[in-house]
Amino acid sequence: NAGVTQTPKFQVLKTGQSMTLQCAQDMNHEYMSWYRQDPGMGLRLIHYSVGAGITDQGEVPNGYNVSRSTTEDFPLRLLSAAPSQTSVYFCASQGMGNQPQHFGDGTRLSIL
Amino acid sequence: DAKTTQPTSMDCAEGRAANLPCNHSTISGNEYVYWYRQIHSQGPQYIIHGLKNNETNEMASLIITEDRKSSTLILPHATLRDTAVYYCIVRVEGGFKTIFGAGTRLFVKA
Repeated sequence: NAGVTQTPKFQVLKTGQSMTLQCAQDMNHEYMSWYRQDPGMGLRLIHYSVGAGITDQGEVPNGYNVSRSTTEDFPLRLLSAAPSQTSVYFCASQGMGNQPQHFGDGTRLSIL
Repeated sequence: DAKTTQPTSMDCAEGRAANLPCNHSTISGNEYVYWYRQIHSQGPQYIIHGLKNNETNEMASLIITEDRKSSTLILPHATLRDTAVYYCIVRVEGGFKTIFGAGTRLFVKA
């Protein structure tokens, strides 16, 4: 059981480039989320999804797009990378009811 | 979801119990208390959660006050590997929009 898998683990981009961070879960969870974590800071919610075809904005959605075409996958797209988006990105999934969130190992993204 | 307040940092001696407090004075009756921790830059790890009864698992114990306005996470015998940031989160049953605060940075010292 792989849980939540994020790829890539590391990435360096140039300003203005676009990129998709991948997230997949094999627990058949309906809820999935993306967070970013800047150095020394807590996690901030970017976007979340309550099921296939349904997404919504979190605390810091600007500059990011998401889609949810399947239950398993929840990719995060950076449309035009900016140095301010240098961060560690975590994906999480969650089952129904009072089940806790499960997190991936993160993607460390640097934008030059 | 109710907001939580935690101390910024705490120290604990190795082998002693670590007691991490959390205030959630505006918690509603259908909101659960969850605890996660984040070791270095790894993904947050779920520890335990509860509604109103005290809970215990292989990692920790969760003590919730009778009025549910605060709780304490107890690591019974802290080790150096328990050094981490601990997050207390309140979330309604069936809720999915989880907001993390700054958490408590626990330093376990030899």
